[in-house]
Amino acid sequence: AQSVTQLGSHVSVSEGALVLLRCNYSSSVPPYLFWYVQYPNQGLQLLLKYTSAATLVKGINGFEAEFKKSETSFHLTKPSAHMSDAAEYFCAAPTYNQGGKLIFGQGTELSVKP
Amino acid sequence: EPEVTQTPSHQVTQMGQEVILRCVPISNHLYFYWYRQILGQKVEFLVSFYNNEISEKSEIFDDQFSVERPDGSNFTLKIRSTKLEDSAMYFCASSPGLAGGTDTQYFGPGTRLTVL
Repeated sequence: AQSVTQLGSHVSVSEGALVLLRCNYSSSVPPYLFWYVQYPNQGLQLLLKYTSAATLVKGINGFEAEFKKSETSFHLTKPSAHMSDAAEYFCAAPTYNQGGKLIFGQGTELSVKP
Repeated sequence: EPEVTQTPSHQVTQMGQEVILRCVPISNHLYFYWYRQILGQKVEFLVSFYNNEISEKSEIFDDQFSVERPDGSNFTLKIRSTKLEDSAMYFCASSPGLAGGTDTQYFGPGTRLTVL
């Protein structure tokens, strides 16, 4: 069955530190992956997506993610955390059919300490 | 920039009552979706809608749920007889309908449904 797994429901970093949020996917999902961010009291906003054009994908707000097929991973990183990055982050994968649903990971809440 | 809108932002209802959650998808999009997120859990797919009919639904989407696109702009989710376990954040999303799974789904801000 298709699945997306995020390791760590809560990650805490200091301002200026590296952010690493982990996402692994089952090999049965299509080679397309998404990261969404949910700021407090807001909806889900697309951070970046992988569509098999390049394995390193750059997104908004300085985030990037690298697709590693050998590790079935799509981890999200940012070199230097900012207070405004505090939010919940979701990794998601589509199903194969056109217009198909997204399968979400459990979400990772990122806290940034001053 | 076009965005998906949802009303109301918060709905409180009594168990057994009917509720209608409303969404206005992005105007030239072809696919529409409802997802929900129970507090502390992952975002779950409920239903997708294309060409005026349901294209896919999950096990959660039983007979108490229905969706409708009553006019050219609105997309609604009706819960006929609400249960306590329906309390959740409900997200509407829409996508342009590109082929191959690369479609981006654009999400609304959500409606928080509280069933008492």
